[in-house]
Amino acid sequence: DVKVTQSSRYLVKRTGEKVFLECVQDMDHENMFWYRQDPGLGLRLIYFSYDVKMKEKGDIPEGYSVSREKKERFSLILESASTNQTSMYLCASSLTGGAYGYTFGSGTRLTVV
Amino acid sequence: GNSVTQMEGPVTLSEEAFLTINCTYTATGYPSLFWYVQYPGEGLQLLLKATKADDKGSNKGFEATYRKETTSFHLEKGSVQVSDSAVYFCALIPSGGGADGLTFGKGTHLIIQP
Repeated sequence: DVKVTQSSRYLVKRTGEKVFLECVQDMDHENMFWYRQDPGLGLRLIYFSYDVKMKEKGDIPEGYSVSREKKERFSLILESASTNQTSMYLCASSLTGGAYGYTFGSGTRLTVV
Repeated sequence: GNSVTQMEGPVTLSEEAFLTINCTYTATGYPSLFWYVQYPGEGLQLLLKATKADDKGSNKGFEATYRKETTSFHLEKGSVQVSDSAVYFCALIPSGGGADGLTFGKGTHLIIQP
C-alpha cells in the first residue's frame, strides 16, 4: 500500500525552539507539499517542491523553511517556533501535474507553548 | 485565480438520509476535480475524482458528477451511515497541472446521528 509517512502524530514544543517536521513517501512521486490546517481557515499551502533540491513558496511561507535533499523526503522547518504556529500540519505527494490526486500523510498536530 | 466554494456546515443528518454537499468552482479551462474525506484525527483521503466534463466519480456509495455548465461537483450519497461522519473537502487542479498545488474548499463537517 502506497504511503506518505509523517514522523510524529503529536508534538509539543516551546516558543523559540527550532522544529523539524519530517515527511517520507514511498511512491517515487516528484511533487511534495506541506499544508497547515486551522479551524475556519481550511488548508493553506506553506511550501511545495517539484524536484529534489527545488522548493517554491506557497500561500503562507513566513516563519517556515523546507528541505528536500532526497526525492522521498520533504522536511518542514520552523526556525523559531511561535504560538501562532500551533496547528495541524499535513504533508502530501503527487505525480507531476497532480491530475491523479494527492496522497496525504496522517498529519502532525503541533502545539507550541 | 482558482477557487472552490462549499457549504461549511456542520451538516447534521440522520442515518439512512440522503446526502448532498454542494461544491462550485472557479477556474479556467477544464480542471480536474476531487473530493477528499478527513476522519477525526486523520489526514485527508482521496474519496473520488473526475478529470473531464460529464465524468462521474464514485467510491464507497458516494458520487459526484463534473458539470462544466454549472461549474459544480456536488457530492451525493443515497443512504448515509454513522461511519460517514467526517469533514469533506472539494478541491481542484487546473488543466495542464497545478504548479502550486490543489485548491481546496474550506471543508464541510458532516455529522450523522443514529
